[in-house]
Amino acid sequence: NAGVTQTPKFQVLKTGQSMTLQCAQDMNHEYMSWYRQDPGMGLRLIHYSVGAGITDQGEVPNGYNVSRSTTEDFPLRLLSAAPSQTSVYFCASSSIGGGQGNSPLHFGNGTRLTVT
Amino acid sequence: GQNIDQPTEMTATEGAIVQINCTYQTSGFNGLFWYQQHAGEAPTFLSYNVLDGLEEKGRFSSFLSRSKGYSYLLLKELQMKDSASYLCAVRDGGNNRLAFGKGNQVVVIP
Repeated sequence: NAGVTQTPKFQVLKTGQSMTLQCAQDMNHEYMSWYRQDPGMGLRLIHYSVGAGITDQGEVPNGYNVSRSTTEDFPLRLLSAAPSQTSVYFCASSSIGGGQGNSPLHFGNGTRLTVT
Repeated sequence: GQNIDQPTEMTATEGAIVQINCTYQTSGFNGLFWYQQHAGEAPTFLSYNVLDGLEEKGRFSSFLSRSKGYSYLLLKELQMKDSASYLCAVRDGGNNRLAFGKGNQVVVIP
């Protein structure tokens, strides 16, 4: 059982470049989300989705776009990369509600992004 | 909005007991989660509390007081593999978003 799969694991971008971080889950979870994790800042929510066709902004959405065309996939797009977006990015999914009942978030292994 | 506070780091001896605290403020509460995160890895789920009281799971226990906006995670019989960051996360009842604290780094020494 693959769970949450993120690609790539590592990426180096130059300022101004664009790219898409991929996230796929095979658990039929309605809820999917993207976090970034920076030293001393903890995990901060970028965007989330409660089902196909529905997305919403989290705490730090600027500079990122998402779409949810299928239940399985939730790609994160960096439109014009900036050094401030250097971070570790985690995709996570759960049953509806981001933890409804005692259903926890399941995390992917992360993407380590460096923007120079 | 949500505001979650955790102390940053603690050191404990193998075999000891350690308590990690988490205080939170939220406009709507719908559950509190504890996660463990080893360096360079993804967070993994440890425990969940939505009602007041203690939940026990082997060597790990978690306590919640909703009226005080307070939770703790208790780690018993510490092992070297418990060296990790422990994250407290609160679910907002209004939008169901999960907000994380900055994490508490536990270092276990022999």
